[in-house]
Amino acid sequence: NAGVTQTPKFQVLKTGQSMTLQCAQDMNHEYMSWYRQDPGMGLRLIHYSVGAGITDQGEVPNGYNVSRSTTEDFPLRLLSAAPSQTSVYFCASSSGPHTATEAFFGQGTRLTVV
Amino acid sequence: SQQGEEDPQALSIQEGENATMNCSYKTSINNLQWYRQNSGRGLVHLILIRSNEREKHSGRLRVTLDTSKKSSSLLITASRAADTASYFCVNSGGSNYKLTFGKGTLLTVNP
Repeated sequence: NAGVTQTPKFQVLKTGQSMTLQCAQDMNHEYMSWYRQDPGMGLRLIHYSVGAGITDQGEVPNGYNVSRSTTEDFPLRLLSAAPSQTSVYFCASSSGPHTATEAFFGQGTRLTVV
Repeated sequence: SQQGEEDPQALSIQEGENATMNCSYKTSINNLQWYRQNSGRGLVHLILIRSNEREKHSGRLRVTLDTSKKSSSLLITASRAADTASYFCVNSGGSNYKLTFGKGTLLTVNP
């Protein structure tokens, strides 16, 4: 089973460029989230979705957009990359709320903005 | 803040020894989960303990929860080099969707 797949694994962007981080899961999970992890820190929630067509902001949403057109996919868009967005990004999915059920994480996308 | 505080921040032990990590919160604890992160990789769910539970076991893992002290502990028995990782406790008090991560405990198990 593939689980949660994130692409790309590594990316370097120039300030001002835009890009989309892809996340796909094959477990038919309703709940999906995007987190960022900065050095020596825990994960912080960017955006989350509780089902196709439903998204909401997390703790640090500025500079990011999401959409959920299908159950399987939850892409994260960086509108105009800034050095402060240099981080490792993780996508997670679960069958119920992350707070009450096991969340499955992708392997991460390491993004550097120069 | 809902963010948990893990203690210690770093722990180094020899293979075969037990490792104990603690977690405390300022807010109430609802469901509390522990996750492991190997260096540079995604997180793996270890165990979930509900607010009405006091202790839970899974293989070599033992988790305790004290809601009156707003604290939890994770014990790994007979540690192995493969247990080297960062361990995060994650509180879900007050939210259905948001996992609140602490900074984690970095465990190093020396062969």
